[in-house]
Amino acid sequence: GAVVSQHPSRVICKSGTSVKIECRSLDFQATTMFWYRQFPKQSLMLMATSNEGSKATYEQGVEKDKFLINHASLTLSTLTVTSAHPEDSSFYICSASIRQGAGFIQYFGAGTRLSVL
Amino acid sequence: GENVEQHPSTLSVQEGDSAVIKCTYSDSASNYFPWYKQELGKGPQLIIDIRSNVGEKKDQRIAVTLNKTAKHFSLHITETQPEDSAVYFCAASKPRDTGRRALTFGSGTRLQVQP
Repeated sequence: GAVVSQHPSRVICKSGTSVKIECRSLDFQATTMFWYRQFPKQSLMLMATSNEGSKATYEQGVEKDKFLINHASLTLSTLTVTSAHPEDSSFYICSASIRQGAGFIQYFGAGTRLSVL
Repeated sequence: GENVEQHPSTLSVQEGDSAVIKCTYSDSASNYFPWYKQELGKGPQLIIDIRSNVGEKKDQRIAVTLNKTAKHFSLHITETQPEDSAVYFCAASKPRDTGRRALTFGSGTRLQVQP
């Protein structure tokens, strides 16, 4: 399957700092990428849909000024957690959509574990 | 919006036995149903998917069945092995703008295969 690279895999930061997470599609171009958040032993919750060259679409309850998404190219989307606080600690996962046959398939990155002290 | 329910939440089987995980969805417009396997500390890995124009799909030890009328789909793993132990998520999505389809995930099933 297609490869989605997510970096960093783990980050520890102090409260009040900002953290940037990168998501790259390595062997295909992705017009759409998605950002999910996952709490321990829970399912994936969609945060936002990121479209190349346009503003991201955020899900209800997700603060767009808190979670800045930039999709500057067809292979790169970034999520910046601004002024991070301990409650932002979580596992963040990106995915990229690729056409396959008559439909589309989502491939996921390996995730980023964010710990805010 | 779409709601996907998944059960059981945990499943323990003996090596070599079969495992079945079931999901139901609420939106009859959904037409794509993937299954993902997530190992601890990793991202979900697509293991099989099915579209609404077919009722069953098989890939070696893994199969998925879909009942559109009842709005439920199931994952079947035969001859389970310890390396099958992981959390499995079902998901559903419906047609949207080309390629811009978000997935709605089930709550996950933690499968443990006892050697």
